Amino acid sequence: DTAVSQTPKYLVTQMGNDKSIKCEQNLGHDTMYWYKQDSKKFLKIMFSYNNKELIINETVPNRFSPKSPDKAHLNLHINSLELGDSAVYFCASSQFQNYEQYFGPGTRLTVT
Amino acid sequence: ILNVEQSPQSLHVQEGDSTNFTCSFPSSNFYALHWYRWETAKSPEALFVMTLNGDEKKKGRISATLNTKEGYSYLYIKGSQPEDSATYLCAFMVETNAGKSTFGDGTTLTVKP
Repeated sequence: DTAVSQTPKYLVTQMGNDKSIKCEQNLGHDTMYWYKQDSKKFLKIMFSYNNKELIINETVPNRFSPKSPDKAHLNLHINSLELGDSAVYFCASSQFQNYEQYFGPGTRLTVT
Repeated sequence: ILNVEQSPQSLHVQEGDSTNFTCSFPSSNFYALHWYRWETAKSPEALFVMTLNGDEKKKGRISATLNTKEGYSYLYIKGSQPEDSATYLCAFMVETNAGKSTFGDGTTLTVKP
């Protein structure tokens, strides 16, 4: 069983489109995260949700919005996609806020 | 902005060599430090969670130490193997912003057979 899953794995889309990336965890964890792996391959946190409450909102453009329908899901919606949004996006979850995080396989987004 | 620095940025060693690298972080408001192993084309995997000054953790040939007063953690690999080749990330958490991990940029280790 995959602990943290993301769909799709690859996403190619045009500038200006709106897209979503889904994340699900079956670990019963309380906290979920979204990270962006930037062009230098560095990992930067975007959002974190704890029991359906946003507890971190980094300075990302408001075109990005996390949506958590329940504790096991944290989806990432992106409006008006731009070329600079091309990156790999990782979802992660942890049992509590200070525990180690379990990462999903990543979604490679390419904006053309 | 929290400054988490890892050094060296990259490291090439021969199979069988032992190696170590450093994660430096602010020494105030320490909450936890995590080490992750990130293989190419895979996802980061947790190695250690360290919370107390003086902590030493070990998993097989890999071990880590923590000094919260001076703000650093060392990761050691004994007898490196080619399968140890990966990027090793540390992530720092402060008490006043629980839940937020600030990741270092990683040390990329290449072990040559």
